[in-house]
Amino acid sequence: SQQGEEDPQALSIQEGENATMNCSYKTSINNLQWYRQNSGRGLVHLILIRSNEREKHSGRLRVTLDTSKKSSSLLITASRAADTASYFCATDGGGGNKLTFGTGTQLKVEL
Amino acid sequence: GAGVSQSPSNKVTEKGKDVELRCDPISGHTALYWYRQRLGQGLEFLIYFQGNSAPDKSGLPSDRFSAERTGESVSTLTIQRTQQEDSAVYLCASSLVGWDEQFFGPGTRLTVL
Repeated sequence: SQQGEEDPQALSIQEGENATMNCSYKTSINNLQWYRQNSGRGLVHLILIRSNEREKHSGRLRVTLDTSKKSSSLLITASRAADTASYFCATDGGGGNKLTFGTGTQLKVEL
Repeated sequence: GAGVSQSPSNKVTEKGKDVELRCDPISGHTALYWYRQRLGQGLEFLIYFQGNSAPDKSGLPSDRFSAERTGESVSTLTIQRTQQEDSAVYLCASSLVGWDEQFFGPGTRLTVL
């Protein structure tokens, strides 16, 4: 089964609004990562947050991590049409193992 | 520097034929991964290479699937006797170490008629 599960599966917002996506996982982790995918091809790494961190920022992105709840959220502020993509979380399983990806949230930002 | 490259970008084949997909990772990356992504779905892990260790093949869906990697360089994913359900985008990624940021190639879109 998938280690990470994103919620919601799909999200549609207006340009300028904020978008929040959530990820839940099952086992302990060393780090959690968020990726973006455009047009069903290669993924692009957005941000990595380690298990001893609670919040991390990168530009318009804010990621939080709650290890007690085994959950993370990705916030995109002041969204743009170009943010339209699928967003995936990925976890490492805590033992230096391979990353396991969730099923993704499809974000659509409308003008 | 160059990113992860994959070839071919698109492959159309007939059911029952064998196909070979290639991945060139970023130089110096010890870890290499293959994923499969069916239309509208998430990434499905197939196989993971880490340095000279035995690969993690736990995600390969059947014995028709196999992959090789020579040292820390090129990897080849082979699908024998292709079936229509093998149609998907096959993504390759590499990372410096096994749990680090992954860099993805553009993928190979496989269509089995």
